[in-house]
Amino acid sequence: GENVEQHPSTLSVQEGDSAVIKCTYSDSASNYFPWYKQELGKRPQLIIDIRSNVGEKKDQRIAVTLNKTAKHFSLHITETQPEDSAVYFCAAVANAGGTSYGKLTFGQGTILTVHP
Amino acid sequence: DGGITQSPKYLFRKEGQNVTLSCEQNLNHDAMYWYRQDPGQGLRLIYYSQIVNDFQKGDIAEGYSVSREKKESFPLTVTSAQKNPTAFYLCASNRGSTAEAFFGQGTRLTVV
Repeated sequence: GENVEQHPSTLSVQEGDSAVIKCTYSDSASNYFPWYKQELGKRPQLIIDIRSNVGEKKDQRIAVTLNKTAKHFSLHITETQPEDSAVYFCAAVANAGGTSYGKLTFGQGTILTVHP
Repeated sequence: DGGITQSPKYLFRKEGQNVTLSCEQNLNHDAMYWYRQDPGQGLRLIYYSQIVNDFQKGDIAEGYSVSREKKESFPLTVTSAQKNPTAFYLCASNRGSTAEAFFGQGTRLTVV
């Protein structure tokens, strides 16, 4: 089955700095890679995702890159703000799209702290 | 607020008792999931169901059971065989065409 490794487990940055979280996956059939943000006491929510036919995707201060050959993908947050502080999870999904269904396998999570 | 509801929010159980966690969604999603969240261990998959009357074990299914009699509902039973059941449990659902998952607000189970 799929195995997703996420690093680092904790990340502390100053406001305005960039933050990068990296994930690797094992199943070459995985073709959908979402990132979720979980604020304290709340449910995880999707913040950005990327599919295997795309190498990079941006949404304002957030970007995700994917290297299918190396089986790794990364989340980049620029100009970090204190409200970015949360736990971030990467995930990999095999056979997403069409009539098939995606089994979500998550990484271990990264606790991001942005200091004012 | 997401269309997927878990209940109760907090649950206390005595050792040796079974307990059932509820998960209901009105998003018309075919797939539903149960995850367990422990500090430092991320979200670990317990069971998932891709269609009514069918479900598969995830990575940590021992001591848990599920049913999927209706598309909208995917209850999780934590049995007395689960050695360390105290945890935060999250239910999620998604649709095959997009695969974005929507989560419930979670149930915190404590064994006393």
